[in-house]
Amino acid sequence: DAGVTQSPTHLIKTRGQHVTLRCSPISGHKSVSWYQQVLGQGPQFIFQYYEKEERGRGNFPDRFSARQFPNYSSELNVNALLLGDSALYLCASSLRQDGNQPQHFGDGTRLSIL
Amino acid sequence: QQPVQSPQAVILREGEDAVINCSSSKALYSVHWYRQKHGEAPVFLMILLKGGEQKGHEKISASFNEKKQQSSLYLTASQLSYSGTYFCGTETGSQGNLIFGKGTKLSVKP
Repeated sequence: DAGVTQSPTHLIKTRGQHVTLRCSPISGHKSVSWYQQVLGQGPQFIFQYYEKEERGRGNFPDRFSARQFPNYSSELNVNALLLGDSALYLCASSLRQDGNQPQHFGDGTRLSIL
Repeated sequence: QQPVQSPQAVILREGEDAVINCSSSKALYSVHWYRQKHGEAPVFLMILLKGGEQKGHEKISASFNEKKQQSSLYLTASQLSYSGTYFCGTETGSQGNLIFGKGTKLSVKP
């Protein structure tokens, strides 16, 4: 079975541009979460979506937005990119929203801002 | 509130044991443990739930002290493949929104 897939794997943007990152969850998983991981740090929670609704939001500015589609795939959008947005963006899926479900991570999208 | 992990780093010889700790200032619903190798995605190891239930790999053991909001991951008879950075993710409700610690870097030498 395919795991969580993310695209693209690498992306280079300049300040002020916007970016869209994509995630396909494991088949049957209905919850998708997005994390930002800066080098040397743990993943930082951005959003959680379950059944196409936002169920959680971390401490990120409004430049960050996301959505989940009827097939449970998800997009993360970041507008007005800043140098500090350079990071690995991880998507994780789980069967359900609740916290007793393991989250399975994709390989991430490495975003570099010039 | 980000959980605090200790130690920050540890170096072992093959066959040695290690304990990694995770502590939170808030009451916890669950603690999740992950291992991440350089350049790879975090891999799920174990969930410990309030009330004592555990889900995870048979070869991994961990504890969860609900009163102290602390969890410990026990790595016994370490192997080279155990090397990586271990993260605990904590949850104060049941929404599945994990807050991760800064990680513990484990290096196992031959």
